[in-house]
Amino acid sequence: AQSVTQLDSHVSVSEGTPVLLRCNYSSSYSPSLFWYVQHPNKGLQLLLKYTSAATLVKGINGFEAEFKKSETSFHLTKPSAHMSDAAEYFCVVSLLDTGRRALTFGSGTRLQVQP
Amino acid sequence: GAGVSQSPRYKVAKRGQDVALRCDPISGHVSLFWYQQALGQGPEFLTYFQNEAQLDKSGLPSDRFFAERPEGSVSTLKIQRTQQEDSAVYLCASSHRDSNYEQYFGPGTRLTVT
Repeated sequence: AQSVTQLDSHVSVSEGTPVLLRCNYSSSYSPSLFWYVQHPNKGLQLLLKYTSAATLVKGINGFEAEFKKSETSFHLTKPSAHMSDAAEYFCVVSLLDTGRRALTFGSGTRLQVQP
Repeated sequence: GAGVSQSPRYKVAKRGQDVALRCDPISGHVSLFWYQQALGQGPEFLTYFQNEAQLDKSGLPSDRFFAERPEGSVSTLKIQRTQQEDSAVYLCASSHRDSNYEQYFGPGTRLTVT
């Protein structure tokens, strides 16, 4: 079985300051890990994905995440927050190597960006 | 190109009614997924199709939930005898076989059972 834990349900930052959204995973196999973003009344959008290639993954809109196997973590970062980054962020794990295609989502982190 | 579309976007049902939710995946995407997202929670997997074959239905919460994709394209999620706990956003996603399994999500159908 696999699971993800998002350590913060809400994060508030000021515009222009760094963003850190924390995620820890649990998996019996080599996981594939993703971050998705959900803006109000919009569909989930993939930010970035890790599938056993480079451990530092760059995504869209300046976001990146680092896979750390020793810490079972996959934290999402951005150097400078923008007002448009305010949304719900989901850390997601999948066991693609086992053939199981379902995604397992964390409970989400709501990011607020203050002007 | 067009993304994943879902209809209706909002559905209000009285307890005990049957509902049908439709998903139109991206053209050419062989894989289709249904997820349920309760208020304040992350989406939870319900079921998965590859073409017309339902390969995984382990997430369906009860036998009141039924999904089909008869021609390998459009899919319908049906909920019989709706209960209040069925109130949620139902998300559909599709993926191409060769996309490294990236799933593209639709906007969802918000179901409210009164």
